[in-house]
Parts: sequence; C-alpha cells; structure tokens
Amino acid sequence: GNSVTQMEGPVTLSEEAFLTINCTYTATGYPSLFWYVQYPGEGLQLLLKATKADDKGSNKGFEATYRKETTSFHLEKGSVQVSDSAVYFCALKRTSGSRLTFGEGTQLTVNP
Amino acid sequence: EPEVTQTPSHQVTQMGQEVILRCVPISNHLYFYWYRQILGQKVEFLVSFYNNEISEKSEIFDDQFSVERPDGSNFTLKIRSTKLEDSAMYFCASSEGTVNQPQHFGDGTRLSIL
Repeated sequence: GNSVTQMEGPVTLSEEAFLTINCTYTATGYPSLFWYVQYPGEGLQLLLKATKADDKGSNKGFEATYRKETTSFHLEKGSVQVSDSAVYFCALKRTSGSRLTFGEGTQLTVNP
Repeated sequence: EPEVTQTPSHQVTQMGQEVILRCVPISNHLYFYWYRQILGQKVEFLVSFYNNEISEKSEIFDDQFSVERPDGSNFTLKIRSTKLEDSAMYFCASSEGTVNQPQHFGDGTRLSIL
C-alpha cells in the first residue's frame, strides 16, 4: 500500500541554520506530493506541493523536489527563522482517489 | 482568505455517548473530508464525501461513524457509542477538486472520551 516515512524528530536548530527534513514514500504510479505545516494550536496548512517527477514546489523560502528515482520529497530551507517553529508533515495522494496519506510529522524548533 | 471552520474546538464526552463534530467547509468547495490524529500518531484518513455521498472511506470508518451534509454549509461527523480509543484530534478538510487541488484543513476538534 501507500506510505510516507519522515525523518525522526524533533529537530532543533539555531536561527539562520539550514534545514532539511527527509521524506520518502512508497506508492504505485505517480502520486502527488505535499508538505503541510501545523503551527501550535492551529490546523494543517499547505506549504507546498509537486504533482509530477522533477517538479519543485516552493513557498516562503521552503523548497522540495519530487525525485521519482529515489522516491523522495525532502523539505529544505536555506535560513530558518524562529517563526518557522512548527510540525511539518509530508503527504502523498494517489492519482486515483482523494485520500491523503501522511508521514509521522517532524517537530521543528528554531532557537534565537 | 476563506477557511474551514470546525466546532467545537474541544469536546469532552462520556464513553458510550454519541458525539457530533461540525465543520463548515470553504463555500465553493465540492469535496469534503475527515481525518483524525490520535496523540503521538500519524494523521489518518477517515472518509471523503462528494455530491451527498461517501466517495471513499478507510478501514477505520466503520458502522460507528457516519457523515452528513445536513444543509448547504455544514458537514458533520457523527460517532455513535464512543470508545476510549476514539479520543483524538479530528480534522475536517475541503477541496475544489481531487486531481491537483489541495485540501484545506480546519483547526481541528479535540475529542476526549472519559
């Protein structure tokens, strides 16, 4: 079946550090891939998405590239801020059907 | 920016009681979803709903659960005869379509079963 695996957290960084959160997936066909972010006390917000191989999603300084050959969709940001502290979820959606399959979530804490 | 709203934010219910969780999806969206997240676990899909019927459901969504769109704006999840293991955060989501359109989530309802 479909599954998403994220790097174990929590991740703690200093402000302006480089961020990578690893995400790999297992799926048949060509799923769409997403990163969602959850700030404290809030719901899941779409951060970025990619719908086909080699697509790069980007938003608010975050980037992720859909790598079919490594079945990965790693999230990166060149310089994190304290306000980026949140839980980040990688997710996939099959081309057929509507359900999102989520990874475990990675708690990011950025210290000043 | 339009958003999905969920009420209540926190619901405490005695085991065995029925509970209804409410959601108001974004007004021009046609597809509606429920997910749940048990504390410390992954966000799990429960059900999707389109054109007044269930379009997809997971193995979690058994006869204990039901969904309804009672009017033009609300989308509800009913849990009959609640169990302790139903304690979780329940998220409602909506989308314009299902191909590349993203799902927009509400802030969730924390359900605590005592």
